[in-house]
Amino acid sequence: GDSVTQMEGPVTLSEEAFLTINCTYTATGYPSLFWYVQYPGEGLQLLLKATKADDKGSNKGFEATYRKETTSFHLEKGSVQVSDSAVYFCALDSGAGSYQLTFGKGTKLSVIP
Amino acid sequence: GAVVSQHPSWVICKSGTSVKIECRSLDFQATTMFWYRQFPKQSLMLMATSNEGSKATYEQGVEKDKFLINHASLTLSTLTVTSAHPEDSSFYICSAPPLGYGYTFGSGTRLTVV
Repeated sequence: GDSVTQMEGPVTLSEEAFLTINCTYTATGYPSLFWYVQYPGEGLQLLLKATKADDKGSNKGFEATYRKETTSFHLEKGSVQVSDSAVYFCALDSGAGSYQLTFGKGTKLSVIP
Repeated sequence: GAVVSQHPSWVICKSGTSVKIECRSLDFQATTMFWYRQFPKQSLMLMATSNEGSKATYEQGVEKDKFLINHASLTLSTLTVTSAHPEDSSFYICSAPPLGYGYTFGSGTRLTVV
């Protein structure tokens, strides 16, 4: 079945540091890939997505590129802020029409001033 | 955008009691709602799919008699954890299927059974 492997956290960075959160996946067919963010006390929010190979999703300074050859969708940001502190989830939708997402375990990011 | 309101955000209950979690779609109609559970340091796992007007569909290994799901209307889906035990302590979150801008999630419920 489908699966998502996400780097273990927690990750603690200083403000303005470079962020990478690794995500690899296993899926049949042609999945869509997502990064969701969960701020404390809030629901999951879509951060960015990519629907086909070589697509780059971007939002709020975050980027991730759909790499079919390495089955990866790593999240990056060049300069993190304290307000980026949250839990980040990588997820995929197999695209088979079931609308069921498969999630990674989540990575907690803490950014310190 | 679409909003799913989930309540309560956290609850502590005694072992053997039942707890109801509600998810309401505030500005759209949801004929389907997905219910996920997350144990500490684990992924969110799909438990079941509720469907307005019909029985819920449960994933393999999820006890339908323990986790009662009701999709009472086009804007309300509920999950009731019956006869809760400490091993049911977890984070539960609901999600509506994707609209034009993607899936919409509730804020989640942290259940602690003591």
